[in-house]
Amino acid sequence: AAGVIQSPRHLIKEKRETATLKCYPIPRHDTVYWYQQGPGQDPQFLISFYEKMQSDKGSIPDRFSAQQFSDYHSELNMSSLELGDSALYFCASIKGLNTEAFFGQGTRLTVV
Amino acid sequence: QKEVEQNSGPLSVPEGAIASLNCTYSDRVSQSFFWYRQYSGKSPELIMSIYSNGDKEDGRFTAQLNKASQYVSLLIRDSQPSDSATYLCAVNGGSGGYNKLIFGAGTRLAVHP
Repeated sequence: AAGVIQSPRHLIKEKRETATLKCYPIPRHDTVYWYQQGPGQDPQFLISFYEKMQSDKGSIPDRFSAQQFSDYHSELNMSSLELGDSALYFCASIKGLNTEAFFGQGTRLTVV
Repeated sequence: QKEVEQNSGPLSVPEGAIASLNCTYSDRVSQSFFWYRQYSGKSPELIMSIYSNGDKEDGRFTAQLNKASQYVSLLIRDSQPSDSATYLCAVNGGSGGYNKLIFGAGTRLAVHP
């Protein structure tokens, strides 16, 4: 069965650079969630999209933005990167609302 | 107070025993509840979902939900060393809306031979 695809799997950036993370949900899934997980921490909700519209927003810095495109894939854009942005970034794919969320393999971002 | 509370553990059980993981949540109107397993450095893997009061069984796993007590649990029967991981309780559909899955801090489970 098709799973959630995230790219790239690993990313190394310097401070103040920009990064773009991509998420391709499971076919026919219309909802995407983004999470940030630091070492030893639980996943922190960043933002969600349903049917290409932003539906909820969590602790996402103003330096970050995201969108969901017509093919339902989503991109998380991160600018002016800081050392503290180093973390695992996961996206989750959901069909509809309030149902089971399936996570991608994640992108490990390292800011140096 | 965190919206979703779990004991961080570690919870140590011998192989073949029952592991019992607990979770409480603060938003009374929450609608859906999930258990995820996460190995270190890997993504969360969905184990169970439960939406109504009572028990739900799937293989060696049983999820229990009590909305009146705002409590959800996961039982793992015949625990195996491969079950050693962090178990995350997650809640959705609260007053914050239906597109916001909130996680607890996770309970580390260690199953020893």
